[in-house]
Amino acid sequence: ILNVEQSPQSLHVQEGDSTNFTCSFPSSNFYALHWYRWETAKSPEALFVMTLNGDEKKKGRISATLNTKEGYSYLYIKGSQPEDSATYLCAFNAGKSTFGDGTTLTVKP
Amino acid sequence: DSGVTQTPKHLITATGQRVTLRCSPRSGDLSVYWYQQSLDQGLQFLIQYYNGEERAKGNILERFSAQQFPDLHSELNLSSLELGDSALYFCASSAHTSGETQYFGPGTRLLVL
Repeated sequence: ILNVEQSPQSLHVQEGDSTNFTCSFPSSNFYALHWYRWETAKSPEALFVMTLNGDEKKKGRISATLNTKEGYSYLYIKGSQPEDSATYLCAFNAGKSTFGDGTTLTVKP
Repeated sequence: DSGVTQTPKHLITATGQRVTLRCSPRSGDLSVYWYQQSLDQGLQFLIQYYNGEERAKGNILERFSAQQFPDLHSELNLSSLELGDSALYFCASSAHTSGETQYFGPGTRLLVL
């Protein structure tokens, strides 16, 4: 059974704060690491797919890094806005996806 | 709008029944994935099809089956339904492999009474 862990489980920040979350995954049989943003009552929305050790991806104020050798990925949000409030999921893919439980971010105005 | 469509949006049925969930992938995508989100669990991968062939299998029960048709739409069949099968079922698609961006449909919420 593959273990994908995300921390923290939840996070409350003020508008304008920068924040980051962690996704830990097995360091063997790595194929890809996905980050998704999941708003309540909607479906998961792909943020990044990362495949190479040392990958860094950026989309606006959100960025992610990947370390496949030690089995972790960080997601950063710079200058959080209320519309960033969502659950952020990572999925480790070794041919099939195993999801973490997500980090739920609440950004207070 | 991801371009992935799922029908129906909601389904209410009784234990022991059989239902079929339908998914149409984004135009041009060859891979289709099925996921289940139960009340007390996170997203669970069920199965992947690529261009009509089963590519990967996850935690899919024997009572469940899926197929992908020549027009690339996919159906997930759930039979002998139990209360615990009540969940949100998502379909996603990607161009080819599971290492590419997956686009999720809006989901089908199944309630088994």
